[in-house]
Amino acid sequence: GIQVEQSPPDLILQEGANSTLRCNFSDSVNNLQWFHQNPWGQLINLFYIPSGTKQNGRLSATTVATERYSLLYISSSQTTDSGVYFCAGGTSGGYQKVTFGIGTKLQVIP
Amino acid sequence: NAGVTQTPKFQVLKTGQSMTLQCAQDMNHNSMYWYRQDPGMGLRLIYYSASEGTTDKGEVPNGYNVSRLNKREFSLRLESAAPSQTSVYFCASIPSGGLWTEAFFGQGTRLTVV
Repeated sequence: GIQVEQSPPDLILQEGANSTLRCNFSDSVNNLQWFHQNPWGQLINLFYIPSGTKQNGRLSATTVATERYSLLYISSSQTTDSGVYFCAGGTSGGYQKVTFGIGTKLQVIP
Repeated sequence: NAGVTQTPKFQVLKTGQSMTLQCAQDMNHNSMYWYRQDPGMGLRLIYYSASEGTTDKGEVPNGYNVSRLNKREFSLRLESAAPSQTSVYFCASIPSGGLWTEAFFGQGTRLTVV
């Protein structure tokens, strides 16, 4: 199956700083998503982004499908951005073929 | 509020006990999933239900059974709990088509087996 590698595993930021999180896939995916798990455990969709670039407020994501990686950008970080960021990817036609990375744990300090 | 509801939120079991984790969604989604989350391992798929009346094994199905009771509800049963099943369990649903364009997760069930 597809292997998903996320980096860095841990990140500590000063409030207001910018960061880039990376997700590499071992094979082509056409079903790629970023999630945020807040400190209370809730998982929230951020982006569905199998290719191209999307932006939502201070967050944006870019996927280069041909090179099998995706980037999540967080600008002007806030303490509420703390938590774990997961990427997940899969191939079409397979409901079960969505593999999660192990996540990047982000802590934003005031 | 629309979404995915899991019950219970916390549970402690003794080895060998059984229990059922409940999941219900009110978004008329076709597909539902059960995942477990363990430290350093991300989320791993236990079982999924592509549509009402169908269920299939995921990556780590051993020790679990599921029931898609109706379109809204998808339950996960541990027949004889083991300490290795200590984990946080998440239920998720997506509208249809197998693409996670709009996946919604429940708040999780933290299970401890002693």
